[in-house]
Amino acid sequence: SAVISQKPSRDICQRGTSLTIQCQVDSQVTMMFWYRQQPGQSLTLIATANQGSEATYESGFVIDKFPISRPNLTFSTLTVSNMSPEDSSIYLCSVGLAGDVYEQFFGPGTRLTVL
Amino acid sequence: QQPVQSPQAVILREGEDAVINCSSSKALYSVHWYRQKHGEAPVFLMILLKGGEQKGHDKISASFNEKKQQSSLYLTASQLSYSGTYFCGTAPNTGNQFYFGTGTSLTVIP
Repeated sequence: SAVISQKPSRDICQRGTSLTIQCQVDSQVTMMFWYRQQPGQSLTLIATANQGSEATYESGFVIDKFPISRPNLTFSTLTVSNMSPEDSSIYLCSVGLAGDVYEQFFGPGTRLTVL
Repeated sequence: QQPVQSPQAVILREGEDAVINCSSSKALYSVHWYRQKHGEAPVFLMILLKGGEQKGHDKISASFNEKKQQSSLYLTASQLSYSGTYFCGTAPNTGNQFYFGTGTSLTVIP
């Protein structure tokens, strides 16, 4: 298993600003992912964070809005840029361990409110 | 690409059984099941690979019908701790794409 921490746990931001969310894992992992979850809704995959290369984004998500970094196998950041109230959501990182079929372990999430 | 789950919500009394279904429009390589309690992160329950296998631990088990692109989660003799939202997650191949289902809210009452 893996222990994942996220910072900040919650934040309230003004429209037009940006917020960077950090995800730290207690061990080296192959896969890292970023999800968004609206209240009462399912989880939507934003992107796969690739170590040493550009993230792979899902349809509807773009790098300019959600730039992602992954400098090593234990850390990643997601930035929510030029925020609007529609970006208010819970953002979760998850990790998958080695292997081609993997269970995912989730961080506690970052609750973002944009005013 | 999002799998559809049914029912959307279910209320059980302790000791009753429940079945949650997950259906995908695409061919699947694997199905994953997670449970999320209010205000917490999703927690992994089990993975099923194509081949029609059935898995289980304790009183929670699941099946995967590859041909029908469906999976079902079975909860028997439900306990209060089973309450939460259950999500299936489906992967069409061994790559990174992994899609969560619409979710099923399960409430167990005394």
